[in-house]
Amino acid sequence: EAGVTQFPSHSVIEKGQTVTLRCDPISGHDNLYWYRRVMGKEIKFLLHFVKESKQDESGMPNNRFLAERTGGTYSTLKVQPAELEDSGVYFCASSQQDYVSSYNEQFFGPGTRLTVL
Amino acid sequence: AQTVTQSQPEMSVQEAETVTLSCTYDTSESDYYLFWYKQPPSRQMILVIRQEAYKQQNATENRFSVNFQKAAKSFSLKISDSQLGDAAMYFCASLTSGTYKYIFGTGTRLKVLA
Repeated sequence: EAGVTQFPSHSVIEKGQTVTLRCDPISGHDNLYWYRRVMGKEIKFLLHFVKESKQDESGMPNNRFLAERTGGTYSTLKVQPAELEDSGVYFCASSQQDYVSSYNEQFFGPGTRLTVL
Repeated sequence: AQTVTQSQPEMSVQEAETVTLSCTYDTSESDYYLFWYKQPPSRQMILVIRQEAYKQQNATENRFSVNFQKAAKSFSLKISDSQLGDAAMYFCASLTSGTYKYIFGTGTRLKVLA
């Protein structure tokens, strides 16, 4: 079974440019999450989709970040315009929807390393 | 606020030796999970081991085991018989039961020396 995939693996852009990150979750996983790790810091939650709906975007840094999940399948995270402090590794994760268990294991992708110059 | 602290940015271990990675956490919740994740360079972050807070017995997975000290809020990972493939970034994380926001530490980079 394919895991969570993310594209691109690396992106280097100039300040002020736009970048779009893509995440393909594990097939059948309704839940999709975005996290970010700024260099040397902890991995922090950004937002959570259930199918195509945003359930929680409390971790999004500001309105320069826009996440979408078309048709409840893959998701994109757009940063426009990018700033220096947006540099970091962006992780995507997915999990099944389980209404019985108190714990739904999240499966993580390899991350996209974004560098803003 | 919940926090997870990993005080060792980098650790080294000789192949076949044992190493312990430290993690402390802070939560006011009574029902939660603790995890160790491993991320090899440019690869998926994978779950190494999980501990349910209500279980007193320490979790083990082959060469990986934890020392869960609930009162001290400590959750260290022991890797026995270290192998070159164990070289990776290791993240400690917590999750309150019934929620979905993992709280991660800053990570420990483990180097395995041949």
